[in-house]
Amino acid sequence: SQQGEEDPQALSIQEGENATMNCSYKTSINNLQWYRQNSGRGLVHLILIRSNEREKHSGRLRVTLDTSKKSSSLLITASRAADTASYFCAPEADRGSTLGRLYFGRGTQLTVWP
Amino acid sequence: GAVVSQHPSRVICKSGTSVKIECRSLDFQATTMFWYRQFPKQSLMLMATSNEGSKATYEQGVEKDKFLINHASLTLSTLTVTSAHPEDSSFYICSARRQSTYEQYFGPGTRLTVT
Repeated sequence: SQQGEEDPQALSIQEGENATMNCSYKTSINNLQWYRQNSGRGLVHLILIRSNEREKHSGRLRVTLDTSKKSSSLLITASRAADTASYFCAPEADRGSTLGRLYFGRGTQLTVWP
Repeated sequence: GAVVSQHPSRVICKSGTSVKIECRSLDFQATTMFWYRQFPKQSLMLMATSNEGSKATYEQGVEKDKFLINHASLTLSTLTVTSAHPEDSSFYICSARRQSTYEQYFGPGTRLTVT
């Protein structure tokens, strides 16, 4: 499968704690992007990490990428109740006619309790 | 981040009619846009890739005569659901790929209900 597969499927934590979500994929990628989605809403772009990058930061977000293991992780530090949402990783294929396509898994449902 | 808009946000139509959904990238040009559908509590399913100035590429199992895609300009792609049926009721989401950064930005989605 070319889609990203997130782990765990659900994560429940208290405000202030860190949340770590993992993603595995099987294809060769150009980049990998992380998104969040609140229930019934569109996807919000969080961060893009290129295949030649190993780590990237954006505010409270930290993303890692290990292309040898075909895996990525998203860390949200000092979580807030407003971070409650579904999080998706989306690897972008780097080959021919599939270039640009993102393949979504089922996501991780993060719940942050006040 | 960049902005992608979709119109309408919600539409209810009768079975047998056609519905057009617009996707616009508001502050960047996108030679490639994508159309997805999403069922409740499920992931996004890619339907087709829309390329400006050329025919769309459809994913396996997606009827191209039913889901007509037109990428008329570098900022606009449209999806027309023809002869809609209740099973076409879904959440349709578009995305636009920013050529300079490869980031893909998603529209807010269109909730289609066919009665």
